[in-house]
Amino acid sequence: EAGVAQSPRYKIIEKRQSVAFWCNPISGHATLYWYQQILGQGPKLLIQFQNNGVVDDSQLPKDRFSAERLKGVDSTLKIQPAKLEDSAVYLCASSLDYRSLLGYTFGSGTRLTVV
Amino acid sequence: AQTVTQSQPEMSVQEAETVTLSCTYDTSENNYYLFWYKQPPSRQMILVIRQEAYKQQNATENRFSVNFQKAAKSFSLKISDSQLGDTAMYFCACTNYGGSQGNLIFGKGTKLSVKP
Repeated sequence: EAGVAQSPRYKIIEKRQSVAFWCNPISGHATLYWYQQILGQGPKLLIQFQNNGVVDDSQLPKDRFSAERLKGVDSTLKIQPAKLEDSAVYLCASSLDYRSLLGYTFGSGTRLTVV
Repeated sequence: AQTVTQSQPEMSVQEAETVTLSCTYDTSENNYYLFWYKQPPSRQMILVIRQEAYKQQNATENRFSVNFQKAAKSFSLKISDSQLGDTAMYFCACTNYGGSQGNLIFGKGTKLSVKP
């Protein structure tokens, strides 16, 4: 079974520039999650999709972050404009069942450095 | 609000010995799930073990086992016969149903070093 695919693996941008990350979940997984992991901390949920609908974006800084999951499969997370404090690893995960989180699987993440 | 606390920022253990990582959590849910994840330098979050709160029996996966104390809201991870490949960050997590659907709340992690 193929895992959760993410790209790019690394990205370095200047502050105020924009950046986008892509995620392709495991086939058949209806639920997709984006997490932000700042150095030295555990991952924090940014947004959660069920199919192509948003079910939780309460911790997404909506003035600069946006995400979409067209057609209920792959997803894109965008930051515009980026700030220094956005430097982090952005992890995508997917799961088969939203209650038991059965099959909850993470991608390898994108490390973003804002300079 | 749901919280997960890992009070040991760093730990070390000699190869082949046993080590226990601590985790406490707070939840208002009656039914929930608890996880331990391993994150090596490759950044991939790897599921180590999973516990269903309604099951009294502690989960085990080969050299990994948990001590689940539901009343105390404690969920520690025991690694037996530690191997060099066990060196990594370990994160404890609890399901969060604050929204309409579940996701994970993570602790800050414990950095484990296995020494030869």
